[in-house]
Amino acid sequence: DAGVIQSPRHEVTEMGQEVTLRCKPISGHDYLFWYRQTMMRGLELLIYFNNNVPIDDSGMPEDRFSAKMPNASFSTLKIQPSEPRDSAVYFCASSGHETPLHFGNGTRLTVT
Amino acid sequence: RKEVEQDPGPFNVPEGATVAFNCTYSNSASQSFFWYRQDCRKEPKLLMSVYSSGNEDGRFTAQLNRASQYISLLIRDSKLSDSATYLCVVNIRVGVNTGFQKLVFGTGTRLLVSP
Repeated sequence: DAGVIQSPRHEVTEMGQEVTLRCKPISGHDYLFWYRQTMMRGLELLIYFNNNVPIDDSGMPEDRFSAKMPNASFSTLKIQPSEPRDSAVYFCASSGHETPLHFGNGTRLTVT
Repeated sequence: RKEVEQDPGPFNVPEGATVAFNCTYSNSASQSFFWYRQDCRKEPKLLMSVYSSGNEDGRFTAQLNRASQYISLLIRDSKLSDSATYLCVVNIRVGVNTGFQKLVFGTGTRLLVSP
């Protein structure tokens, strides 16, 4: 199994630009999670999906953030417009029901 | 109160030492528990699940105390390669009959093992 695949690995962009992060979960997993990690705040859950349906988006910082899961094998996290405070590592993870999470390698986002 | 709390550390120990971390959780509806390990600039990886009866994997022992709402991780005979951040994870059922789960991470405990 290839594991959770995220792209890009690194993204450097200027403030105000749109950023799209992509994730392919492990096949057969029905939960998909987006996390953000910073030194100050640790791992924060942004949003998670079950069977492609968003269940809890209370962690999404503000309207500039949106996430979609059009099918069981693909999800995106979009930031528009991006701001320097969005700089962080964004992890996607997937799991089955009450099974451990498997993380992707993460996308390191830098907004200048 | 945070849903999952950990001492951030760092815990500085010499090689060969035994070290223990605790993690407390606030939601009594928590279903399952895990310890993850995260190396610098890497993704978290599952170290071990935590079972009600306690479980051991080599030098690592995990225990759960539901009455006091904490889990622990014990590392015996520490190795240099054990240096990492250890994240406590609690799986919380969302809603009464939804069947949905939410995994909440602690901020992690940093371990530094020195020669």
